[in-house]
Amino acid sequence: AQSVTQLGSHVSVSEGALVLLRCNYSSSVPPYLFWYVQYPNQGLQLLLKYTSAATLVKGINGFEAEFKKSETSFHLTKPSAHMSDAAEYFCAVSEGNTPLVFGKGTRLSVIA
Amino acid sequence: DAGVIQSPRHEVTEMGQEVTLRCKPISGHNSLFWYRQTMMRGLELLIYFNNNVPIDDSGMPEDRFSAKMPNASFSTLKIQPSEPRDSAVYFCASGGTNYGYTFGSGTRLTVV
Repeated sequence: AQSVTQLGSHVSVSEGALVLLRCNYSSSVPPYLFWYVQYPNQGLQLLLKYTSAATLVKGINGFEAEFKKSETSFHLTKPSAHMSDAAEYFCAVSEGNTPLVFGKGTRLSVIA
Repeated sequence: DAGVIQSPRHEVTEMGQEVTLRCKPISGHNSLFWYRQTMMRGLELLIYFNNNVPIDDSGMPEDRFSAKMPNASFSTLKIQPSEPRDSAVYFCASGGTNYGYTFGSGTRLTVV
C-alpha cells in the first residue's frame, strides 16, 4: 500500500528565504503525487500535482516540486518565502485508481 | 463553479445525539471522498464513492458511522449515536487522481 512521510512537522523560515518541505513516498507502482496547502479554518487547496509527465512541476503561488524516482522523493520548494505562505502543507500519493493517502503535514512558519 | 459545498460549517452536539453532515460535490466529478482530520491522526479517509456507489468504507471507524450518496449531487455522513471522540473536522472532497481533489471547507464537529 502507498504511504507518505513528511520530514519535519514544523519548519520555520525567514521572509525571503528558501522554503524546502520534504516528502518521501512509498508506492508499488508509478505514483501520482500531490501537494496541498491548508490555511487556518479552511479546506485543503491543491498546490501542484505530478502525474507522470515532467518531473519538475510548477504550481500556484510560486511553489514547485521535483519528482525523483531514485530517491522516492517529491520535495516542495519556493525560492523566497512570503508571510502569506504560513500554513500547513500536505503531501499525498495515489497509485492511480486508489484514493489519495496524505502525510501528517508540515506547518510552515514565516518570520518577518 | 461554487466548489464543494459542505454544511453545516460548525456543529456542536451532545453525546448520544445523531449528527448528519452534508456535501454537494462539484458537478461532473465522478468520485466523492469523506475524510476526517484530527491532531492525533491527521487526515483519514473514511469512505469514498465512484458514480454514487460506495467503493471502500474500510476507514469508517465504527458501525455508528454511515454514509450515503443518493445521487450525483449530494452525499451525507451520519453518526448515530455520537461520542466525544468523534470530535474532529470532517472534509468532503470530489475529483479524481488525474486532476486532484477539490476539498470543501469542512464541518467542525464538537461532541460534548
